[in-house]
Amino acid sequence: GDSVTQMEGPVTLSEEAFLTINCTYTATGYPSLFWYVQYPGEGLQLLLKATKADDKGSNKGFEATYRKETTSFHLEKGSVQVSDSAVYFCALSDIQGAQKLVFGQGTRLTINP
Amino acid sequence: DAEITQSPRHKITETGRQVTLACHQTWNHNNMFWYRQDLGHGLRLIHYSYGVHDTNKGEVSDGYSVSRSNTEDLPLTLESAASSQTSVYFCASSETAESYNEQFFGPGTRLTVL
Repeated sequence: GDSVTQMEGPVTLSEEAFLTINCTYTATGYPSLFWYVQYPGEGLQLLLKATKADDKGSNKGFEATYRKETTSFHLEKGSVQVSDSAVYFCALSDIQGAQKLVFGQGTRLTINP
Repeated sequence: DAEITQSPRHKITETGRQVTLACHQTWNHNNMFWYRQDLGHGLRLIHYSYGVHDTNKGEVSDGYSVSRSNTEDLPLTLESAASSQTSVYFCASSETAESYNEQFFGPGTRLTVL
């Protein structure tokens, strides 16, 4: 079945550091790919998405590119802020599954001032 | 503003009791979902609904049930609570069933089964 694998956390960085959170997936079809973010005490909210190969999703300085050849969707940000501290989830939705999201295990990110 | 709410936000219950978690959305979305969040597992789908009177089992549906009598609500029932069901539960909704659509999440319910 479909699956998503994220890099293990937690990740701790200093403010203004470069961030990469790795995400790879396994899917039988051509999935849509998502990054959701969960701030402390809140539900998940969509950070960015990409729906086909080579698409780049971007939002709030974060970017991720849909790489079909490597089945990856790595999240990057050039200069992180303390306010980026949260748990980040990579997820896919296979067209065959019609909106059933499959999540990675989540990566907790802490940014120190 | 439209929103999705869950109640209660925290619940402690005992093994064997029936528990119902509420989910209410004012987006007028057809699709609603229940997930559980556990360390090391991310979120896993329990049940989902594509409209009134429609319900479907997800990846981890054993011990849970849902019913959809109107567009706004999808209550999740634990028939006989077990310690393995201690978790954080999230409800979500989306406008259409296309795979690329965003899901909107509620704030979660933390359930402890003693």
